[in-house]
Amino acid sequence: EDKVVQSPLSLVVHEGDTVTLNCSYEVTNFRSLLWYKQEKKAPTFLFMLTSSGIEKKSGRLSSILDKKELFSILNITATQTGDSAIYLCAVGGLFGNEKLTFGTGTRLTIIP
Amino acid sequence: SAVISQKPSRDICQRGTSLTIQCQVDSQVTMMFWYRQQPGQSLTLIATANQGSEATYESGFVIDKFPISRPNLTFSTLTVSNMSPEDSSIYLCSVGRGNNEQFFGPGTRLTVL
Repeated sequence: EDKVVQSPLSLVVHEGDTVTLNCSYEVTNFRSLLWYKQEKKAPTFLFMLTSSGIEKKSGRLSSILDKKELFSILNITATQTGDSAIYLCAVGGLFGNEKLTFGTGTRLTIIP
Repeated sequence: SAVISQKPSRDICQRGTSLTIQCQVDSQVTMMFWYRQQPGQSLTLIATANQGSEATYESGFVIDKFPISRPNLTFSTLTVSNMSPEDSSIYLCSVGRGNNEQFFGPGTRLTVL
């Protein structure tokens, strides 16, 4: 059974700080790792990673995958209060029509 | 991206009753997924709904408790049957497109008293 573990479970930082969120996984047949942001109910997509060592970047957010050590990190620089959310890591297939296995999530709170 | 709507957005139900949640997508998709997120927990896949065939349920979920319909390529329903307080969760449908991410509907927040 696929397993995804995120750390820390929760994190409180001040606005402007940089944070690093961790995701480790154990899967029988790894194909992709995805990061989502969940503010209310619906998770919104951030990144999809399939190759080791290639950083994906979107504004202040970036993510990288290490397939040898079986983990990924999500970095957020110059945090803002709007970054407060639950960040979810999931493993899935190469196509959108394959099921996702989610981790526990990290609840990030940004203090003004 | 995909535009997904869910109805109802929230509901409060009595123990022993059933609730049917609807998921509508703005274009045809092959697979639709139903997830549950219990309070303070992450998302857990309930089942995969494929048009024209029986839904595929994950371990721990059964058709009698969570019957699913998939009458066409843009619509699906999930019924939570004979509800108990442990069924209080957010229920989310999602769809995938091509070689990228899954998109999630806005979710249904269910409270069972």
